Amino acid sequence: AQSVTQPDIHITVSEGASLELRCNYSYGATPYLFWYVQSPGQGLQLLLKYFSGDTLVQGIKGFEAEFKRSQSSFNLRKPSVHWSDAAEYFCAVVGGSQGNLIFGKGTKLSVKP
Amino acid sequence: KAGVTQTPRYLIKTRGQQVTLSCSPISGHRSVSWYQQTPGQGLQFLFEYFSETQRNKGNFPGRFSGRQFSNSRSEMNVSTLELGDSALYLCASSLEGSRPNEQFFGPGTRLTVL
Repeated sequence: AQSVTQPDIHITVSEGASLELRCNYSYGATPYLFWYVQSPGQGLQLLLKYFSGDTLVQGIKGFEAEFKRSQSSFNLRKPSVHWSDAAEYFCAVVGGSQGNLIFGKGTKLSVKP
Repeated sequence: KAGVTQTPRYLIKTRGQQVTLSCSPISGHRSVSWYQQTPGQGLQFLFEYFSETQRNKGNFPGRFSGRQFSNSRSEMNVSTLELGDSALYLCASSLEGSRPNEQFFGPGTRLTVL
């Protein structure tokens, strides 16, 4: 069965520092991958997606992610974190023929001033 | 274009009651999916509706049901509420159903069962 693992439950970074959030997936075929962000009390906002093609994907708010098939990973990166980036981040994969999203448990990001 | 809207935003019920949540998708979107979010289980898929038909269902008991209307608006119903049903219920809409589909989420309905 498809699954998504986000190894880090909580990460704290200083404002202006770089960020990398890890995501590993388990899926037999070509995965369709997403990163969403959720601020407290809010729904999910799509940051970026990978369907095919260039393995380095650019998203909104200065985020990017790199798909690495050999490592079954889709890590999210940002070169310089802003205090407003504090939120919870979810990696997701489209689950097989059903097409629903399968989410990781999320990584909560805190930003130190 | 207006986003996905969900009503009500907050709801408090007691055990044994039933509840109905509503979701209005983005105009033109015909697929609506529902997810349950809890601290313990995370985000879990409930079901998907497309053109008024349930197309896909997650692993939830029959107490959880839904429907979709001809205008693509969707409702989900939970009967005989249990404490464990306390959660944030998220609705997502997408354009008609080719795969993969990009889903746009609403703000959610926070359900508290006492």
